[in-house]
Amino acid sequence: KQEVTQIPAALSVPEGENLVLNCSFTDSAIYNLQWFRQDPGKGLTSLLLIQSSQREQTSGRLNASLDKSSGRSTLYIAASQPGDSATYLCAVTAGGTSYGKLTFGQGTILTVHP
Amino acid sequence: DVKVTQSSRYLVKRTGEKVFLECVQDMDHENMFWYRQDPGLGLRLIYFSYDVKMKEKGDIPEGYSVSREKKERFSLILESASTNQTSMYLCASSLWTSSYEQYFGPGTRLTVT
Repeated sequence: KQEVTQIPAALSVPEGENLVLNCSFTDSAIYNLQWFRQDPGKGLTSLLLIQSSQREQTSGRLNASLDKSSGRSTLYIAASQPGDSATYLCAVTAGGTSYGKLTFGQGTILTVHP
Repeated sequence: DVKVTQSSRYLVKRTGEKVFLECVQDMDHENMFWYRQDPGLGLRLIYFSYDVKMKEKGDIPEGYSVSREKKERFSLILESASTNQTSMYLCASSLWTSSYEQYFGPGTRLTVT
């Protein structure tokens, strides 16, 4: 059974720092990996999706990498801002006829203080 | 932009009541999903549907059922609500394409008393 782990569970940084969030998964037979952001009490917003054949994706100050063989992904946030404070979730889509079912990590709670 | 809406943001029901949570997407997505989110347990898949009238159990289907009579609408039903079903419920949808990127609704915070 696929298991997804995110480290650290919580992170507090001063504004302007570059930071890295980590995600690992136990079964490398994934179809893709998604990073989401969740604000308190709200739904999930998709940030980046990396297909299993890709190594990284970038969107603005965000860069996500994928090393499928080692079962790892990182989300890099450059020049962090207080508005980046949220919970960041990583999720993998199983390969095969899974209809795109996601398995989620527990998330990293990020606080960026001014 | 993809839009996924859920019928209620907050809902309070009594133990034993039958509860309907509705989810509607406007992008003609084939796949729809229901998750629940609990502190310390993360997001867990309850049920999903890959076509009208088609459904499959997720990881925690006990105590729930679903209905998909139209492509845009996916309902989660709690046949007899219990206090351990107090949770945040999230609906998502995705296309049957090469990416399966999922789009989420705003969530329904359900409290069963």
